[in-house]
Amino acid sequence: QKEVEQDPGPLSVPEGAIVSLNCTYSNSAFQYFMWYRQYSRKGPELLMYTYSSGNKEDGRFTAQVDKSSKYISLFIRDSQPSDSATYLCAMSKGAQKLVFGQGTRLTINP
Amino acid sequence: NAGVTQTPKFRILKIGQSMTLQCTQDMNHNYMYWYRQDPGMGLKLIYYSVGAGITDKGEVPNGYNVSRSTTEDFPLRLELAAPSQTSVYFCASRLTGLAYNEQFFGPGTRLTVL
Repeated sequence: QKEVEQDPGPLSVPEGAIVSLNCTYSNSAFQYFMWYRQYSRKGPELLMYTYSSGNKEDGRFTAQVDKSSKYISLFIRDSQPSDSATYLCAMSKGAQKLVFGQGTRLTINP
Repeated sequence: NAGVTQTPKFRILKIGQSMTLQCTQDMNHNYMYWYRQDPGMGLKLIYYSVGAGITDKGEVPNGYNVSRSTTEDFPLRLELAAPSQTSVYFCASRLTGLAYNEQFFGPGTRLTVL
């Protein structure tokens, strides 16, 4: 069983839709939960991070962590074509090595 | 700041050839990492370094070597290229002292081994 599982997609939605991206994990020691965004032919960039359980909002993006279910989500409201990218979840125990999900390729259609 | 830079952007190697992928960062970060990214497989850690002169293996180190003689540079060496090493390689760095592991990535090197 992989430590972090992420549906690779691809996921294609119309502009303005609400997008939900998800990851599950098996290691209960993970404390930090991150979402990286990777545009085509570029390196990943940190989008958001959350510590432990709960929600965090940044503009149109909301990150949710449910440690009891070992499940994390990223919601994108009012999705834009510029949100088209691959989204990678990543997790760590403290500042130790990151464990990445497989990444979900998202396309927002105008 | 240029951030994390990688050279070359693209390379085609023949089986058995050797090459060095270059990585430089100008943010004075102590930690540096090498990952490979295969389609649908996420990022796999090859090697990492916690400072000049200190390196350690990651998840998939076989077939690769690294060195860290300065804070800025962290080259990745492929000695005998194999088709299984066809991938996109990313170098990353991070600042120490943060509670969480925010890594800054370079633009990647696309390597094909034929």
